[in-house]
Amino acid sequence: AQSVTQLDSQVPVFEEAPVELRCNYSSSVSVYLFWYVQYPNQGLQLLLKYLSGSTLVESINGFEAEFNKSQTSFHLRKPSVHISDTAEYFCAVSERPSSYKLIFGSGTRLLVRP
Amino acid sequence: DTAVSQTPKYLVTQMGNDKSIKCEQNLGHDTMYWYKQDSKKFLKIMFSYNNKELIINETVPNRFSPKSPDKAHLNLHINSLELGDSAVYFCASSQAPVSTDTQYFGPGTRLTVL
Repeated sequence: AQSVTQLDSQVPVFEEAPVELRCNYSSSVSVYLFWYVQYPNQGLQLLLKYLSGSTLVESINGFEAEFNKSQTSFHLRKPSVHISDTAEYFCAVSERPSSYKLIFGSGTRLLVRP
Repeated sequence: DTAVSQTPKYLVTQMGNDKSIKCEQNLGHDTMYWYKQDSKKFLKIMFSYNNKELIINETVPNRFSPKSPDKAHLNLHINSLELGDSAVYFCASSQAPVSTDTQYFGPGTRLTVL
C-alpha cells in the first residue's frame, strides 16, 4: 500500500522569498507523483505531475518539483512566491503501471505574507 | 462556466437523518469520483464511476450509496448520518479511469452532523 507524508502543515513565507514544500512517499512498487493546489473556496487543481522521463517537472506558474527515487521524495519548490500563491498544496501518488486511485497527503498550507 | 459543481455547498443536519449531495460535470468526462476530506485534511477516495458503472468502492459503510443517473452526474446519498460523517466531500471527474488523467474537482460540500 502507498502512503504520502507532508510533514509541514503550514509554511509561512514572505513575498518574493523562495519556498520548498516537502513530500515523501512510501510504496512497494513504482509510482506516478502529483501536486494539486487548492485555492480558497475552490476545488483542487492539478499543478504538475511526474509520469516518466526527466525527474524535474515544471508548472506554468513557476513551480517545479523533482522526483528523487532514492529518497522517495517529490518536493515542490518556487524561487520567488507571490501573494496569489497562498493556497493549500496536496501531494499525491498512484501505482504504476496504471491505477484508478490517487493517494493524497494531508496537505501543506502555504501562507505568503507581504 | 463551472466545470464540476456540487450542491449544496454547506449541509448541517442532525444525527440519524438521510441526506444527498449532488455533483455535475460539464467536461464530457467518462469518470467521476467522490472523495472525503477529514478534519486532518486527509483526502481519501470513496467511490469512482466510469460510464455509470462502479469501478472503485473503498471500505465505505453501506450507509453511503452513490448513484450515477448519467455520465455527467454522480450523486451521493447518505443514510442514518453519524457524527463521524462530518467532513468535506469533494466530487471530481477525469476523462478516463486512470490516475494519470488529470482530475478536476468541485468546490466541496461541508457536511456537519450535529
